[in-house]
This record gives sequence, structure tokens and C-alpha cells, in this order.
Amino acid sequence: GNSVTQMEGPVTLSEEAFLTINCTYTATGYPSLFWYVQYPGEGLQLLLKATKADDKGSNKGFEATYRKETTSFHLEKGSVQVSDSAVYFCALLPGSGNTGKLIFGQGTTLQVKP
Amino acid sequence: DTGVSQNPRHKITKRGQNVTFRCDPISEHNRLYWYRQTLGQGPEFLTYFQNEAQLEKSRLLSDRFSAERPKGSFSTLEIQRTEQGDSAMYLCASSLYKDNTEAFFGQGTRLTVV
Repeated sequence: GNSVTQMEGPVTLSEEAFLTINCTYTATGYPSLFWYVQYPGEGLQLLLKATKADDKGSNKGFEATYRKETTSFHLEKGSVQVSDSAVYFCALLPGSGNTGKLIFGQGTTLQVKP
Repeated sequence: DTGVSQNPRHKITKRGQNVTFRCDPISEHNRLYWYRQTLGQGPEFLTYFQNEAQLEKSRLLSDRFSAERPKGSFSTLEIQRTEQGDSAMYLCASSLYKDNTEAFFGQGTRLTVV
């Protein structure tokens, strides 16, 4: 079946530190991969996506590369800010069936301290 | 367009009462999804519509849950005889029927059953 596993949080960093949040997946076929961010009390916002192997998604200084050989889609940012504090969800969209149904990881909380 | 809109944002209800939530998707989006998110977890798929047709329901959606999208525009999610275990954030998302199209999420309705 399809599943997503994220590193457990919370991740606590100082401002300007380097961020990595690990995400691995299990899927049949060729899924698309996403990172969503959820700020306190809010819904989910798409942060970035990649639709095929070796694609790199990027947005607002965040990057993630779709690695088929390691079934991974790790999120990175070179220098985090306090405003990046949020919960980050890795998700996959199965490549077959075309239902548009997303499968999410459990989320990783990021806390950035000044 | 202001994005996906959900109402109410918060709902507190007594156990055994019925509740109804509303979701207004992005106007040109023909697909609409409902997810449930419990504390510390990622969203879990409940059901989705393509236009007015409900195409899939998760096993999570017990007989007490019903969703409608009568004219292919807004959708409602009703929970009958609420239980404390129904306490969660209910998220709505919409998308266009097309391969790998991203879903846009609303801010969610937080339900607390007391």
C-alpha cells in the first residue's frame, strides 16, 4: 500500500540554522510528492511539490528532491527564520487511480528560536 | 476567488448532538475532498466528490457521517449522534480533475465534543 513516514518532532533550531526534515514513502507506481505547511490554527498550505523522479521542488527557500532510489523527499532550508515555525507534512499522491486522494505523514513540528 | 472557505471555524457540541459543516471550494474546481485531522497526526482522507457524485468513502466514515454536494458546488459534512472520538479538525480541499493537480485546503472546522 501507500504510506508516508516523517521524522518525529519537535525539531528545535536557532534562527539561521540549517533545516532538514526527513520523509520517506512507500508507493506503487509513480506518485507525486508534496510538502504542506500548517501554521497554528490554520489549514494546510502547499509549500512545494515534485511530480517525477529527480525533480526538485522549491519555494520560499525550501527545497526537496524526489529520490526514487531511496524513496525519499527530504525537506531542506539553508537558513530558517522564526516565521518558519509551523507543522510540516509530507504527502504523496498515488500515480494510479487518479482520485486525487493525498496520503500524509504524521507531521513534524518545527520551532525556530530567535 | 478567496480560496476554499469552511464554516464554522470552531464548533463545540454535546455528545449525542448532530453537527453540520459547510465547505465552499474554489469556484472552478470540480473535485472536493474531506479529511479529518486529530491532534498530532496528519490529515486522513474521509471522502471525495467529483462534481455532485461522491466517488469514494473511507472506512473511517462510519454510518453516522454523511456528506453531500448537491449541486456540485458547496459541500456539507454531517455527523449524527456525535461522540467524543469525533473531536478533530475537519479539513476540506478542492482541486481540478487533472493528473497531479494540487489540492487547495480550507482553514478547517475544529470540532470539540464534550
